[in-house]
Amino acid sequence: NAGVMQNPRHLVRRRGQEARLRCSPMKGHSHVYWYRQLPEEGLKFMVYLQKENIIDESGMPKERFSAEFPKEGPSILRIQQVVRGDSAAYFCASSMDRNTEAFFGQGTRLTVV
Amino acid sequence: GENVEQHPSTLSVQEGDSAVIKCTYSDSASNYFPWYKQELGKRPQLIIDIRSNVGEKKDQRIAVTLNKTAKHFSLHITETQPEDSAVYFCAAPKQAHKYIFGTGTRLKVLA
Repeated sequence: NAGVMQNPRHLVRRRGQEARLRCSPMKGHSHVYWYRQLPEEGLKFMVYLQKENIIDESGMPKERFSAEFPKEGPSILRIQQVVRGDSAAYFCASSMDRNTEAFFGQGTRLTVV
Repeated sequence: GENVEQHPSTLSVQEGDSAVIKCTYSDSASNYFPWYKQELGKRPQLIIDIRSNVGEKKDQRIAVTLNKTAKHFSLHITETQPEDSAVYFCAAPKQAHKYIFGTGTRLKVLA
């Protein structure tokens, strides 16, 4: 079991470009969570998805950010028209079921220049 | 509310001493409480967790205690070692699905 896989590990984007972050959950896991972490800060919940459904996106900014978890393939966190303030580490976690252990990927470090 | 309060924000202990980190949650429906350790530049890693049907769980030098009445739970690390130095996060799933993390405790073990 390869664990939760995120790619890319590092992503540099110019202001105004789009960023696509991918997360493949652990085998057998159908629940995916995305978090944002600024340097020296905690993990801020963004969105919780199950296959083909967004369960809770209360932590996601209303504009420019979107997430999906299609029937086939990884979960995608998409940030349109990136700004410098989007620079952060974005972590994905997956769990087999709600209220069970969640395991984190290695994160994608987004830098907006 | 959705807050998970975590204290202290920083903690320095001498090697061999014990460290205790406390978290308080607000959602009385929460029944699963994990603790994560995050080393610099790395992913958070689950180190121990507890469910609400028990009051304490221990794994070698690490233990977690839960007081459901008071809505708080604590991480205890005994005989601390330099490699325990990291940031520790508690979490309290809200509405049985959404992990809300505490603000983190930066633990420094002094050799």
